[in-house]
Amino acid sequence: SAVISQKPSRDICQRGTSLTIQCQVDSQVTMMFWYRQQPGQSLTLIATANQGSEATYESGFVIDKFPISRPNLTFSTLTVSNMSPEDSSIYLCSVSGSPLNTEAFFGQGTRLTVV
Amino acid sequence: AQKITQTQPGMFVQEKEAVTLDCTYDTSDPSYGLFWYKQPSSGEMIFLIYQGSYDQQNATEGRYSLNFQKARKSANLVISASQLGDSAMYFCAMREPHASGGSYIPTFGRGTSLIVHP
Repeated sequence: SAVISQKPSRDICQRGTSLTIQCQVDSQVTMMFWYRQQPGQSLTLIATANQGSEATYESGFVIDKFPISRPNLTFSTLTVSNMSPEDSSIYLCSVSGSPLNTEAFFGQGTRLTVV
Repeated sequence: AQKITQTQPGMFVQEKEAVTLDCTYDTSDPSYGLFWYKQPSSGEMIFLIYQGSYDQQNATEGRYSLNFQKARKSANLVISASQLGDSAMYFCAMREPHASGGSYIPTFGRGTSLIVHP
């Protein structure tokens, strides 16, 4: 299992500003995932963050808007840049073991409101 | 096409009764895993139960069981003896080889909101 500490837990931000979300895992993991959950919606994968390489972004998400850092095997950050009210969502970091039968572990989530 | 389909946006159940939450999935890969998660209003994601594509028996974890019908590509969650604390969003998810190869990245359904009445 993995314990993930994510912060901040919530924030209210002005449009046009940026917010960086941090995710700390209590063990070394190869891949970390960042999800967005818009109000009343499911989780949508933003990107996969591998240590030592650039993140892999899903369709509809770009590095300029959601830059990701992965400086080591236990830590990652996601920045939401130049925010607009449409970015108001819950952002979740997650890790999954390599075997198919291992569940994903999640941070507590960051509830972002852009005003 | 959606990989995971949850057709029930909301469900209501009386306390102590059983409830079934529906989930169908779509994959052409013979090797995959199916998961259910609970998300209370606090926003955290709580793992409930897992079913592998090659598992012969339905998974059970306490009050949770998974009704796995492979030919129909369905993986319904059954909660027995519902409790007030079961009120939450429930997400079905699937892990399969990612398009880029190698990694098993979970994809999630739209979720079902369960409300347990006293």
